[in-house]
Amino acid sequence: DGGITQSPKYLFRKEGQNVTLSCEQNLNHDAMYWYRQDPGQGLRLIYYSQIVNDFQKGDIAEGYSVSREKKESFPLTVTSAQKNPTAFYLCASSNGYSNQPQHFGDGTRLSIL
Amino acid sequence: GQQVMQIPQYQHVQEGEDFTTYCNSSTTLSNIQWYKQRPGGHPVFLIQLVKSGEVKKQKRLTFQFGEAKKNSSLHITATQTTDVGTYFCADGDGDAGNMLTFGGGTRLMVKP
Repeated sequence: DGGITQSPKYLFRKEGQNVTLSCEQNLNHDAMYWYRQDPGQGLRLIYYSQIVNDFQKGDIAEGYSVSREKKESFPLTVTSAQKNPTAFYLCASSNGYSNQPQHFGDGTRLSIL
Repeated sequence: GQQVMQIPQYQHVQEGEDFTTYCNSSTTLSNIQWYKQRPGGHPVFLIQLVKSGEVKKQKRLTFQFGEAKKNSSLHITATQTTDVGTYFCADGDGDAGNMLTFGGGTRLMVKP
């Protein structure tokens, strides 16, 4: 079955630590996205990538970094500069053209120890 | 930046009652996508509206796009407990590939 796989499902971060969230898709989609969702809130865009080796900042990129070395993979690093990292992180993909639905992974819940 | 406002934020209904969520923008919307997120789950695409005044139906769900393309609504007839979740609208930015700006969502709770 095609889909998006996010791992881990739960992650705990210590003070001053960087952590990396994995996102892999086998839908052959060109575009991938990372969103942050806080309790009872909507989705806010962190970073997006429309093609391999290229990515753009979203609305709340500070304290985060990404890479897009392969079409299938778009890992997100939450750096120690992100002072309030506790949230639900969702990865999505689409075929990159306008007016296309986004497909989401199951998400990663990140908490501070 | 562009903002998409959604109301109400929460809605409790008795099973069998109708439910409507509204999505509004001060600027013209390129297109509207609707997503449903079950508790503890991830958003799942429901439908997309592109044309002014467009109306689409999926069983008990009716989606509308305003004539001026500044608002949209999702109406559920005779809610069921399986309708529980948060419904999000999202505006697609036609000038930026497939970027979406999400509304804050409406959380629907259904009492059996």
